[in-house]
Amino acid sequence: GAVVSQHPSWVICKSGTSVKIECRSLDFQATTMFWYRQFPKQSLMLMATSNEGSKATYEQGVEKDKFLINHASLTLSTLTVTSAHPEDSSFYICSARRVDENIQYFGAGTRLSVL
Amino acid sequence: QKEVEQDPGPLSVPEGAIVSLNCTYSNSAFQYFMWYRQYSRKGPELLMYTYSSGNKEDGRFTAQVDKSSKYISLFIRDSQPSDSATYLCAANTGNTPLVFGKGTRLSVIA
Repeated sequence: GAVVSQHPSWVICKSGTSVKIECRSLDFQATTMFWYRQFPKQSLMLMATSNEGSKATYEQGVEKDKFLINHASLTLSTLTVTSAHPEDSSFYICSARRVDENIQYFGAGTRLSVL
Repeated sequence: QKEVEQDPGPLSVPEGAIVSLNCTYSNSAFQYFMWYRQYSRKGPELLMYTYSSGNKEDGRFTAQVDKSSKYISLFIRDSQPSDSATYLCAANTGNTPLVFGKGTRLSVIA
């Protein structure tokens, strides 16, 4: 199967610090990766789409300077939440799409708590 | 109107029941349809993947797509307590991000 690994699974940080979340496709190459945010009992909200070697495309209302996305290789994308504040506390989930098919595989998610 | 509409539930059924989960969509260009299962505080897990109209069966799960009525269904036979989760339908046109429904919370009571 297609495995997407996401780390860390849970992070607690102080307000004003930056947090980096990693997303790796373990057994396939992903030309496109997606980052989602999910609030309790709500659906997934797409934040941005990233293609390997290109700048990420952010959805309307998502601050690109706050949520930095890097997709440096076909197996790794990172999301950095800069100068985190309590309102950034949420569940962040990455997803990767295989080169040869139109299926998105998801990581296990990262629970971010900003104090 | 949201592109993919899904009743959020919650839906509660006894163990062994047949569960029917449904979504409607508005974008006639959608060609790919998926169902994901999400346990609490976990990432979504792909259950079923369908291209265009038709049925697809995998074990206790059957996915149906009716493009003429823009209707997507997932049936779960012989439901088990371990099936208790949130089920998300999703669709797209191809090389575009998936558009998700809100998800339906299902509880299967032993």
